[in-house]
Amino acid sequence: NAGVMQNPRHLVRRRGQEARLRCSPMKGHSHVYWYRQLPEEGLKFMVYLQKENIIDESGMPKERFSAEFPKEGPSILRIQQVVRGDSAAYFCASSRDREREGYTFGSGTRLTVV
Amino acid sequence: GESVGLHLPTLSVQEGDNSIINCAYSNSASDYFIWYKQESGKGPQFIIDIRSNMDKRQGQRVTVLLNKTVKHLSLQIAATQPGDSAVYFCAAPNQAGTALIFGKGTTLSVSS
Repeated sequence: NAGVMQNPRHLVRRRGQEARLRCSPMKGHSHVYWYRQLPEEGLKFMVYLQKENIIDESGMPKERFSAEFPKEGPSILRIQQVVRGDSAAYFCASSRDREREGYTFGSGTRLTVV
Repeated sequence: GESVGLHLPTLSVQEGDNSIINCAYSNSASDYFIWYKQESGKGPQFIIDIRSNMDKRQGQRVTVLLNKTVKHLSLQIAATQPGDSAVYFCAAPNQAGTALIFGKGTTLSVSS
């Protein structure tokens, strides 16, 4: 039973380019959560999605960032016109139901903006 | 706003010693807490959790203690091993129950 799969593991983008981060939840999980981790920091919540719905996006920056979780396929976190400050590790987690407890994280995508 | 924080950013111990990692939280209504372990280059891994109706919960070599009076919890690791070297985070759900609030993390270094 595969865990939460994120790809790519590492992503390098030049300033101004777009970054697309993918997250495939665990089998049977329909809830996805995205977190960002800056160097030497804890994880910060960005967005919580259910299939085809954004439930809570209170942690998403107002501009350039968007997320989706379509009926088919992985969840996508999109960052447009990346800047150096977007360099971070982005983690996805999934759960079967809407739950507050101990969901499973993927291994993350490390985005570097040069 | 809600916050969850750790007391010490780093902790160095000898192999075989017991380790104690501390965490404080601000929301007295918080009723559930989780400890995660994050190894270099990996995502957070669930270690143990505790609900607010408990003061103590034990797992394999790990114990979590919760003191609701002072809004403090701790993770105790018995007979610490080199494989325990990692960053440890405490976390709690936000009030809406839609996300986890993480502390900054304590880096545990275990020397042989």
